[in-house]
Amino acid sequence: DIVMTQSPLSLSVTPGEPASISCTSSQSLQHSSGKSFLGWYLQKPGQSPQLLISLATYRASGVPDRFNGSGSGTDFTLKISRVEAEDTGIYYCMQTLQALLTFGQGTRLEIK
Amino acid sequence: VQLVQPGSEMKKPGESLRLSCRGSGYSFSNYWITWVRQMPGKGLEYMGRIDPSDSFTNYSPSFRGHITISSDTSIRVAYLQWTSLQTSDTGIYYCARHSRTSGNVLDAWGRGTLVTVSS
Repeated sequence: DIVMTQSPLSLSVTPGEPASISCTSSQSLQHSSGKSFLGWYLQKPGQSPQLLISLATYRASGVPDRFNGSGSGTDFTLKISRVEAEDTGIYYCMQTLQALLTFGQGTRLEIK
Repeated sequence: VQLVQPGSEMKKPGESLRLSCRGSGYSFSNYWITWVRQMPGKGLEYMGRIDPSDSFTNYSPSFRGHITISSDTSIRVAYLQWTSLQTSDTGIYYCARHSRTSGNVLDAWGRGTLVTVSS
């Protein structure tokens, strides 16, 4: 199984300030296409998860451009350039390279 | 794109249960359906998936033998089934559309079904 490890597990950010979440995989997530099969998801309070980023760097439809994904291989980062109140929730990374999908533990983002 | 799930189910240990997930707004057979569990206050766990076009399934070893995933393309529904529930099955169960492009992402999610198993 590919183990996904996120850090930090929680963070508290003032609106307008940046936020950054790291995700590390126990194996490379690079596909034969050259792209990394890593996605980022946000689960807002009381809601189901929603896709933010696919293939490590591609913003999903409708996702604000303050969300940016970077990284390749085993090390990935989700950055929010200027946090807004609506960004509160739990962020998960997930690998989809192997059939046995695995998620990170989740990072709880609190807005100060 | 919508995936519609019932809101909640309450069962006793040992009882059977079948959860549904109805897809609309897209070609149902062209996307896998994946099931994800979220136990109370915990993170997300992959349970398994089905390819509705040929009913091929893949199960997480953690759930294999305890659940069955199936689908009926004629009514655009995927199912998650237990024959004998345990109290530890209590949780929220999400179905998600699993795209075979864009890096196999889960690009649309149902609202989830809260399953409570208690005597």
